[in-house]
Amino acid sequence: SAVISQKPSRDICQRGTSLTIQCQVDSQVTMMFWYRQQPGQSLTLIATANQGSEATYESGFVIDKFPISRPNLTFSTLTVSNMSPEDSSIYLCSVRARDGTDTQYFGPGTRLTVL
Amino acid sequence: QKEVEQDPGPLSVPEGAIVSLNCTYSNSAFQYFMWYRQYSRKGPELLMYTYSSGNKEDGRFTAQVDKSSKYISLFIRDSQPSDSATYLCAMIKGNTPLVFGKGTRLSVIA
Repeated sequence: SAVISQKPSRDICQRGTSLTIQCQVDSQVTMMFWYRQQPGQSLTLIATANQGSEATYESGFVIDKFPISRPNLTFSTLTVSNMSPEDSSIYLCSVRARDGTDTQYFGPGTRLTVL
Repeated sequence: QKEVEQDPGPLSVPEGAIVSLNCTYSNSAFQYFMWYRQYSRKGPELLMYTYSSGNKEDGRFTAQVDKSSKYISLFIRDSQPSDSATYLCAMIKGNTPLVFGKGTRLSVIA
């Protein structure tokens, strides 16, 4: 399995500001993902973080709003830019194991509230 | 039709009951099937992972896959109040992102 940590665990931010969320994994992984989970909802994939190249975004998500970095195989950041109250959500980092099973693990999440 | 269908519940059962959670899917290309448990305000935790049709057991949990019917199940025996959580099914085809069901909210009443 993979152990994933995220920072910060929660934050309250003002409208118009930006927040960068960090994801650290305890082992090298092939794929890293960022998800959003709004209250009472299932998980929505924002993007796949690609090591050394631009992230691959899902429909409805754009790089200007959610820039992502992945400088190596164990670390990634997601920035939520120019925030509005609609961005209030839990943001989750997820990784796919490098053990041939395609098992996917999730971090504890970052709970973001935008006022 | 959504790729993965899961009844969101809520499902409420008495302690000790057998719980059956189910998902159906439409794409026969799905190869790997997972069940996650998510407690309130926490990230999803991988519970079970299966590849082939049949049953896989781990303690009180049994995952069942029927590829011919495109139907997967998670059974929880001797359910406990600590099992109260949202259970999400998920599946993968090839090197693509997980596809999730909506999740079923389970309450086990003492």
